[in-house]
Amino acid sequence: ILNVEQSPQSLHVQEGDSTNFTCSFPSSNFYALHWYRWETAKSPEALFVMTLNGDEKKKGRISATLNTKEGYSYLYIKGSQPEDSATYLCAFPWGQNFVFGPGTRLSVLP
Amino acid sequence: DTEVTQTPKHLVMGMTNKKSLKCEQHMGHRAMYWYKQKAKKPPELMFVYSYEKLSINESVPSRFSPECPNSSLLNLHLHALQPEDSALYLCASSQGPTGGANTIYFGEGSWLTVV
Repeated sequence: ILNVEQSPQSLHVQEGDSTNFTCSFPSSNFYALHWYRWETAKSPEALFVMTLNGDEKKKGRISATLNTKEGYSYLYIKGSQPEDSATYLCAFPWGQNFVFGPGTRLSVLP
Repeated sequence: DTEVTQTPKHLVMGMTNKKSLKCEQHMGHRAMYWYKQKAKKPPELMFVYSYEKLSINESVPSRFSPECPNSSLLNLHLHALQPEDSALYLCASSQGPTGGANTIYFGEGSWLTVV
């Protein structure tokens, strides 16, 4: 069984705070790691595809890093805004499947 | 705005009904997927179609029957479902079969309630 884990399960921060959360995945047979943002009543939105050890990607106030040797990726949000409230999922390609982590539910309080 | 369109958004059906969920994408993607998501759990893969052929069936009960009429359309036919099949059903597509860096694009999902 392939385990993709995320922590914390949920997070409440104040508007303006910076925050980060973790995705852990098997370090063997690594090909890529995907991050998605899933807002309520919307479709999951692709944020990043990470492929290289040491990769750092950025999209506005959101960035992600990757360590394939130890099997983790961090997602950072700088200066959180209420519109960042969503569930953040990481996904690990496995054959033709994506194995999703359980997600981190972020609530940004105004 | 999602480029993967799913209908209906909500469906309530009895255990003896036959209904279908529909999915459409016009991105020229050649792989399409059905995922099932129960509350507070991550999406779980049900089926993968690659170049209009079923390539993965993740041990899904036969009361769920997928169909890919062409490269843009994916249906999920439902018959004799059980209340525990109530869930969000997500359709997705990718440029090619996933297995690496192909991004999967999701629809908004169809909420299914079986009564």
